[in-house]
Amino acid sequence: DAKTTQPNSMESNEEEPVHLPCNHSTISGTDYIHWYRQLPSQGPEYVIHGLTSNVNNRMASLAIAEDRKSSTLILHRATLRDAAVYYCILLKTSYDKVIFGPGTSLSVIP
Amino acid sequence: KAGVTQTPRYLIKTRGQQVTLSCSPISGHRSVSWYQQTPGQGLQFLFEYFSETQRNKGNFPGRFSGRQFSNSRSEMNVSTLELGDSALYLCASSMNWGPQETQYFGPGTRLLVL
Repeated sequence: DAKTTQPNSMESNEEEPVHLPCNHSTISGTDYIHWYRQLPSQGPEYVIHGLTSNVNNRMASLAIAEDRKSSTLILHRATLRDAAVYYCILLKTSYDKVIFGPGTSLSVIP
Repeated sequence: KAGVTQTPRYLIKTRGQQVTLSCSPISGHRSVSWYQQTPGQGLQFLFEYFSETQRNKGNFPGRFSGRQFSNSRSEMNVSTLELGDSALYLCASSMNWGPQETQYFGPGTRLLVL
């Protein structure tokens, strides 16, 4: 099973950029890297995903290492509403079961 | 467009009973996945349905089953409930099936087994 490793928790000051790392050393060439976040008492919410190239959307940016063994989710200006658990997951082309790790709990300090 | 809806939102059952949870995907979405979330085990994948066929299944006992209807709505059933089945059950839908698809999650059904 494709696994990811993330720090258990991180802190950020409000309005500062946040870089959330994810290691996925067992990634295969066609695995997609997805990021979701879960706010308290809500279901997970899609953030961003990518395959090989860096990706940007209105919520965040995804920077993928050249060897694809790691990626970084970048929140450009953290707000209090960004306090959540962030999950980095790999989805394989064969698309077997989806594995969520424990994620990174992000705290945003006013 | 309405989001993923799950009913009921809260449920209390006793050991040995069975329960059926319902999920209505976003209009036009044909794939529905189910997850169990507990404080100890985190988010665990149960199964996924696409066009009324189960495509993937996680490592859960046969007491957990599901189905998808022709309108893409899905139900999951847990028979002979155990205390350990107390959890938040989440449903997610996506337009199609595949690793590039974005999943949209519902608010979940919180099940308490006494």
